[in-house]
Amino acid sequence: EDQVTQSPEALRLQEGESSSLNCSYTVSGLRGLFWYRQDPGKGPEFLFTLYSAGEEKEKERLKATLTKKESFLHITAPKPEDSATYLCAVFYGNNRLAFGKGNQVVVIP
Amino acid sequence: NAGVTQTPKFQVLKTGQSMTLQCAQDMNHEYMSWYRQDPGMGLRLIHYSVGAGITDQGEVPNGYNVSRSTTEDFPLRLLSAAPSQTSVYFCASSLGQGGTIYFGEGSWLTVV
Repeated sequence: EDQVTQSPEALRLQEGESSSLNCSYTVSGLRGLFWYRQDPGKGPEFLFTLYSAGEEKEKERLKATLTKKESFLHITAPKPEDSATYLCAVFYGNNRLAFGKGNQVVVIP
Repeated sequence: NAGVTQTPKFQVLKTGQSMTLQCAQDMNHEYMSWYRQDPGMGLRLIHYSVGAGITDQGEVPNGYNVSRSTTEDFPLRLLSAAPSQTSVYFCASSLGQGGTIYFGEGSWLTVV
């Protein structure tokens, strides 16, 4: 059973069409939740860290939120340059880290 | 500021050959790790190190070897390459476990 599940797996958006990506987790003892952006042929690039339920972080058109069982990455008025795969990872328990499989986002001009 | 640098970018190996993927970081991070990324599988931890001279196995360590003689370098060795090791490999570092992870650009390895 996956400890971190991201949905939807793939998403096509029109430019300007806001949407949200979901990262749900089943681990106990969450110590931090990370969001990364990965462009094709590149390594993941850090976006946000969230530590406790209710916390929110923003960067340009992206906003990450955290509840006790899931995190959302909201993309507001996306542009084509927001096209990427977004990865979620949870740090929990005895220094354990688990990644989700990613949300592939394509923004169409 | 180079961050995490890994080489080579691309490599084709024959089954049974050995090779080393190089990784270096210039951020004075104690924690370094190697991941592989396969379609539909997400990032999986191969080996990690919490400091010079200290290494440990991750989720998928079989067929790989690591060492950490300096803080900066963390090479990954494939002992006898198998087609199942065809993957994209990422080296990563962070100040400590649970800290922000910085990834290298990736190494695409094909084993034929």
